[in-house]
Amino acid sequence: ETGVTQTPRHLVMGMTNKKSLKCEQHLGHNAMYWYKQSAKKPLELMFVYSLEERVENNSVPSRFSPECPNSSHLFLHLHTLQPEDSALYLCASSQAAGVHTDTQYFGPGTRLTVL
Amino acid sequence: AQSVTQPDIHITVSEGASLELRCNYSYGATPYLFWYVQSPGQGLQLLLKYFSGDTLVQGIKGFEAEFKRSQSSFNLRKPSVHWSDAAEYFCAVGPSSNTGKLIFGQGTTLQVKP
Repeated sequence: ETGVTQTPRHLVMGMTNKKSLKCEQHLGHNAMYWYKQSAKKPLELMFVYSLEERVENNSVPSRFSPECPNSSHLFLHLHTLQPEDSALYLCASSQAAGVHTDTQYFGPGTRLTVL
Repeated sequence: AQSVTQPDIHITVSEGASLELRCNYSYGATPYLFWYVQSPGQGLQLLLKYFSGDTLVQGIKGFEAEFKRSQSSFNLRKPSVHWSDAAEYFCAVGPSSNTGKLIFGQGTTLQVKP
């Protein structure tokens, strides 16, 4: 596989469930990102990891817990979510986090529905 | 505060017609500007970006954009639209932090009539 992949593509969960979203990049990049895309709202950056270290947490509630075990993999652990957390969650990667001229490459997203 | 405004939520054009999608930004310094496209069920793909130099930027798929500092705009254009261009288009500005954070607009949905 090439580029940035995300699994699952669709997820339906109850408010008491615990689930995880997975992202994998095959581009040799050092930075990875989680974004939330809600209907009728701009993309919201959630987290940034650089060389497996979290470098930005954009005031995200603690019910979202990211994990970056290595530079190719990024997870978003979910627990006790709310219906308003239903959205498309996009993962992206770039060569480096601090180089603003870098292009961010996006995965196809995970469509999350919280019942 | 840094922000991006895409005034048109939805645009419909006929196939073969020209296209212009508007983007206005508010940014305190020299901005880096991006246009991304998102096809249904897909992630975002970079169309083009502007950092410095020539204010008319060429991108993929026949798109171009012009940076106008005096108008704080970075409008996307295409001379002849194809049915496959139907998608959602996002303008973004950055960086808003030293981690390369981008600020995105709300997006413009493009519908192409046959």
